[in-house]
Amino acid sequence: AQSVTQLDSQVPVFEEAPVELRCNYSSSVSVYLFWYVQYPNQGLQLLLKYLSGSTLVESINGFEAEFNKSQTSFHLRKPSVHISDTAEYFCAVRGWTTAGNKLTFGGGTRVLVKP
Amino acid sequence: KAGVTQTPRYLIKTRGQQVTLSCSPISGHRSVSWYQQTPGQGLQFLFEYFSETQRNKGNFPGRFSGRQFSNSRSEMNVSTLELGDSALYLCASSLDVNSPLHFGNGTRLTVT
Repeated sequence: AQSVTQLDSQVPVFEEAPVELRCNYSSSVSVYLFWYVQYPNQGLQLLLKYLSGSTLVESINGFEAEFNKSQTSFHLRKPSVHISDTAEYFCAVRGWTTAGNKLTFGGGTRVLVKP
Repeated sequence: KAGVTQTPRYLIKTRGQQVTLSCSPISGHRSVSWYQQTPGQGLQFLFEYFSETQRNKGNFPGRFSGRQFSNSRSEMNVSTLELGDSALYLCASSLDVNSPLHFGNGTRLTVT
């Protein structure tokens, strides 16, 4: 079975400090990896994705994530956060399973940026 | 290009009733997926449609059903509503089954 574990349910962080959100996955097949962000009362927005190629992927707003196949991880980082980064972040895995091709989400990590 | 549109945005129903939620995907997207989001269970996959065919289904009872029309618009239906069905229902579309999902803002269903 395919699963995603986000090790931290909440991460408080001060403005301009770095943040790392951890994500580990389990899958017996090749996977695509995603990070989504959800602001209050909104749907999920794609932050960045790893499909193939370079294991380090970046978003336009300063986030980056590194795919580590040996550790089955896809941790998300930002060197300096802003108040506007306060949101919930979801790691997701998409791969072929016996149940077909579906996206499996982690439990989410709430990031609270404090001034 | 317009994003994924879900209607209605909010819905209040009573136990035993049924409800239909609607989703219009991004133009050109042929795959539509539905997810249920609750504080306790997180994001759970309901079903996925591609070109009017259900390709994949999550572990939900038969009270939950869906369909996709020829224009890729999708509806999901929940019959005999239970209190536990209260949730944010998210629809997502993608170009095909391997492309990233683009989500709508969801329909918040409250069952009283």
